[in-house]
Amino acid sequence: DAKTTQPPSMDCAEGRAANLPCNHSTISGNEYVYWYRQIHSQGPQYIIHGLKNNETNEMASLIITEDRKSSTLILPHATLRDTAVYYCIAFASGGSNYKLTFGKGTLLTVNP
Amino acid sequence: NAGVTQTPKFQVLKTGQSMTLQCAQDMNHNSMYWYRQDPGMGLRLIYYSASEGTTDKGEVPNGYNVSRLNKREFSLRLESAAPSQTSVYFCASSDTFDRGYGYTFGSGTRLTVV
Repeated sequence: DAKTTQPPSMDCAEGRAANLPCNHSTISGNEYVYWYRQIHSQGPQYIIHGLKNNETNEMASLIITEDRKSSTLILPHATLRDTAVYYCIAFASGGSNYKLTFGKGTLLTVNP
Repeated sequence: NAGVTQTPKFQVLKTGQSMTLQCAQDMNHNSMYWYRQDPGMGLRLIYYSASEGTTDKGEVPNGYNVSRLNKREFSLRLESAAPSQTSVYFCASSDTFDRGYGYTFGSGTRLTVV
């Protein structure tokens, strides 16, 4: 699976959009980009995933560049409860390496 | 719905003691996983069970054994605990093993080995 690179930490003001970047320059054609988050002391929570088209659900939007080498998770109106570590993961569905691998992620702190 | 339930939530062991961490899911998921998370680190996969009756090693299986008791339950056993196994252990389940979405995690077991 492709390695992903994320900034270790980011800040965001409450009510503003939080844009979390992720680089995955070695991503292969069959690897999806997945985002999870982990609120302090809890287990990770699935947010969204995509292959090459932009995706939106009730939690967030995912923007993937045309060359698929990077992506951005957007939380449109961040709240204090969105303070968490956000993980970007590249994973090939249907592959033989069944390991959803969590790196260190980005600690997003939403400030009042 | 309870989702994924882990017991116990906290445990302190002495070096050399054994224990079993229990995990149960009520979502009729086929696949289950055990991860560990050390302070300031991401999660590392210990073992997984793609379907009932099968188990496979993940990244860090040494010192652990697992049992997929039935479709609902997946236990993790430490035969002889070591201080290096002090960690937070998360169990997760998903509908299918080869998709990266829809993993549901438990709230974790905080294990300290002294």
